[in-house]
Amino acid sequence: SQTIHQWPATLVQPVGSPLSLECTVEGTSNPNLYWYRQAAGRGLQLLFYSVGIGQISSEVPQNLSASRPQDRQFILSSKKLLLSDSGFYLCAWSSRTDFNSPLHFGNGTRLTVT
Amino acid sequence: GENVEQHPSTLSVQEGDSAVIKCTYSDSASNYFPWYKQELGKRPQLIIDIRSNVGEKKDQRIAVTLNKTAKHFSLHITETQPEDSAVYFCAGSGNTPLVFGKGTRLSVIA
Repeated sequence: SQTIHQWPATLVQPVGSPLSLECTVEGTSNPNLYWYRQAAGRGLQLLFYSVGIGQISSEVPQNLSASRPQDRQFILSSKKLLLSDSGFYLCAWSSRTDFNSPLHFGNGTRLTVT
Repeated sequence: GENVEQHPSTLSVQEGDSAVIKCTYSDSASNYFPWYKQELGKRPQLIIDIRSNVGEKKDQRIAVTLNKTAKHFSLHITETQPEDSAVYFCAGSGNTPLVFGKGTRLSVIA
């Protein structure tokens, strides 16, 4: 069966520090991979998605970036965090064929920027 | 691009009553509509989904209806229980990744 791992679970970082969140998927090949952000009490905002190695689409201009160095690995990064980057970050995967399939979320990373 | 609106933002029902959450979408090309349940501090989990080639789908106490002409779809929960209390998200997609509504906080009062 497919599993998705996301770490760390919680993170407290000062403003201006770098960020690296990692997500890996097991049990499937060529998945679509996604990063969503959820501000406190708010909805799910799509940040980045990837349909293949090295292919990244950005939905929202910001100081975040994403990379997909391997088929089942997705990384979210920032060089300098802002207070507004605080939130609950969720990695997800779906089957490769199209976007019309369920998203399977990781357990999320709760980021607090102080 | 797709825009999904969800109502109400909060909903309180008595245990045993029904709950209905409604969503509208803007992109007529959208053809996949899942619903997710998110408990406090946890990840969203898929509870039911529907594709545009059907008008209704049921799974025990949960049902979803879709009106393609009006571009709206609804989640119906019958015989609500305290464990149904959570935030529910609707979403839609066609040729682009899922776009989510802003969520409905459902409280089931025992």
